[in-house]
Amino acid sequence: EAQVTQNPRYLITVTGKKLTVTCSQNMNHEYMSWYRQDPGLGLRQIYYSMNVEVTDKGDVPEGYKVSRKEKRNFPLILESPSPNQTSLYFCASSSGHQNTGELFFGEGSRLTVL
Amino acid sequence: GNSVTQMEGPVTLSEEAFLTINCTYTATGYPSLFWYVQYPGEGLQLLLKATKADDKGSNKGFEATYRKETTSFHLEKGSVQVSDSAVYFCALGVSSTLGRLYFGRGTQLTVWP
Repeated sequence: EAQVTQNPRYLITVTGKKLTVTCSQNMNHEYMSWYRQDPGLGLRQIYYSMNVEVTDKGDVPEGYKVSRKEKRNFPLILESPSPNQTSLYFCASSSGHQNTGELFFGEGSRLTVL
Repeated sequence: GNSVTQMEGPVTLSEEAFLTINCTYTATGYPSLFWYVQYPGEGLQLLLKATKADDKGSNKGFEATYRKETTSFHLEKGSVQVSDSAVYFCALGVSSTLGRLYFGRGTQLTVWP
């Protein structure tokens, strides 16, 4: 089954404690991205990756890091989480074809930073 | 730049009512347009899409027509059901940024029996 898998689904942590949210896709997609969803703000892109070892900043990259060492994995790293990073996070992947452009989303990771 | 503006919610309807959620866009070039739906506790999933002007996307009784002259992609359904309660996102994609979509802020729809 084609899917994007994120872990953990729920996490409560404290300010400053490094954490990683993993993302894996089994569709051999070149493009992967991270979004955060906040009430009234919709979805905002944090980082995206066009292929292995190629990443770029999205609209709200501050406080986040990513890596793309393998095609299937795209972890999101919060080196020193702060309360304003409390949010619902989504990983997505895409083949990148112009006429489809469809993104496949994971189920989301709800992060609370105390 | 590329952006999407969709009507703010929440939208509350009775079952079998007609639904319209407005979406307009600004884009460089010729975008593809999408509606995504997010059911409670789930990720986003594609509802329908249109890749060129005058195309109509449809799925599950929902429809949207790509109107280049008005830069719009309004979502409609003739008779909503309780199970349609969800958040709906309009989005666009352009060839200059493959693999990325630009999303509107989402519209919460609640349907009462």
